[in-house]
Amino acid sequence: GENVEQHPSTLSVQEGDSAVIKCTYSDSASNYFPWYKQELGKRPQLIIDIRSNVGEKKDQRIAVTLNKTAKHFSLHITETQPEDSAVYFCAARTENTGNQFYFGTGTSLTVIP
Amino acid sequence: AAGVIQSPRHLIKEKRETATLKCYPIPRHDTVYWYQQGPGQDPQFLISFYEKMQSDKGSIPDRFSAQQFSDYHSELNMSSLELGDSALYFCASSSGQSAQFFGPGTRLTVL
Repeated sequence: GENVEQHPSTLSVQEGDSAVIKCTYSDSASNYFPWYKQELGKRPQLIIDIRSNVGEKKDQRIAVTLNKTAKHFSLHITETQPEDSAVYFCAARTENTGNQFYFGTGTSLTVIP
Repeated sequence: AAGVIQSPRHLIKEKRETATLKCYPIPRHDTVYWYQQGPGQDPQFLISFYEKMQSDKGSIPDRFSAQQFSDYHSELNMSSLELGDSALYFCASSSGQSAQFFGPGTRLTVL
């Protein structure tokens, strides 16, 4: 089955700097890659997603890039703010396993004011 | 917009008791997922249902069972509860090409 790896597991940045979180996947049939933000004790919230026919997608301060050849995708957060502090999860969905999603192990991001 | 609804939000049980968690997916979503999240851990996939049929099984203990009903709501039944079952239980739903959307979770505490 699909295997999603996520790095780093923890990340600290100064307010205003950029943060980058990277994920790799193993199944070339994976075609949809969402990113979730989870604050302590709350539900994971979808923040951005990308499909396999697109190389990059941007929404204000967040962007996601996808390299299908290398089987990796990254989350970029620019001009970080303290409220960006949370755990971020990447995920991959593979068409041939129906609607099953495979999650990375999460990155705990701390933005230092 | 309607979101995933879970009940109860908090549940306290004694060891060896049973618990039932309920999930109401977003209308017209055809897939329901259950996850268990321990403190400081990523969500662990338990089980999923597509159009009321079990579609995939993850690390769900044999003491747990789940089903999806004709109205698409789902229930996670947990028996012989153990201290280690204390966790946040999330239900999520999706449809076709959409992402998963998570419910607010049920915090289960086993004493």
